[in-house]
Amino acid sequence: SQQGEEDPQALSIQEGENATMNCSYKTSINNLQWYRQNSGRGLVHLILIRSNEREKHSGRLRVTLDTSKKSSSLLITASRAADTASYFCATDAVQGAQKLVFGQGTRLTINP
Amino acid sequence: DTAVSQTPKYLVTQMGNDKSIKCEQNLGHDTMYWYKQDSKKFLKIMFSYNNKELIINETVPNRFSPKSPDKAHLNLHINSLELGDSAVYFCASSQVAWGTEAFFGQGTRLTVV
Repeated sequence: SQQGEEDPQALSIQEGENATMNCSYKTSINNLQWYRQNSGRGLVHLILIRSNEREKHSGRLRVTLDTSKKSSSLLITASRAADTASYFCATDAVQGAQKLVFGQGTRLTINP
Repeated sequence: DTAVSQTPKYLVTQMGNDKSIKCEQNLGHDTMYWYKQDSKKFLKIMFSYNNKELIINETVPNRFSPKSPDKAHLNLHINSLELGDSAVYFCASSQVAWGTEAFFGQGTRLTVV
């Protein structure tokens, strides 16, 4: 079954506000990654967090991982219009085939 | 230089035709993938190759045949195209089979009419 599920499916906020997206998964993982997809483009890697890490930062991005709840969150601070995109979490499971499994994504719209 | 490039970007074809999508990566990665993204943006892995060897085949109809002539190339050939094959197909690569970031191509939007 699908590994990651994002929540909410869509999020619309004003420029300058913070945006938080959540991801839940079902089985034990080695790591969790977040990707961004602009309309009509390929996915771009944002950040990778390993199963033994709890929090990671990269610029305006903050990712948390709670392996006990099998969930992760992506926080984008001080959002900009250019952050408008779909955001996907992806996991690779400890057991089973070595592959990245993606969630359905959160469509983020930043209103100027 | 584009890291992962796939061609064509758009492909419109009739049912029953055979078509190919090409993918090349210049990152020196060992692993390459094909993903299919449907109209609801759900991204599902189809195939994974490591050093030209198939390591994942995710219950894809055998009308889909990947070919990896070398580790920098992974092409996708589709026979007898069906309406349900319409989707965006993404090629990707990574350093190793798991645990590292994947680099994606721009996608090929396939429309079967």
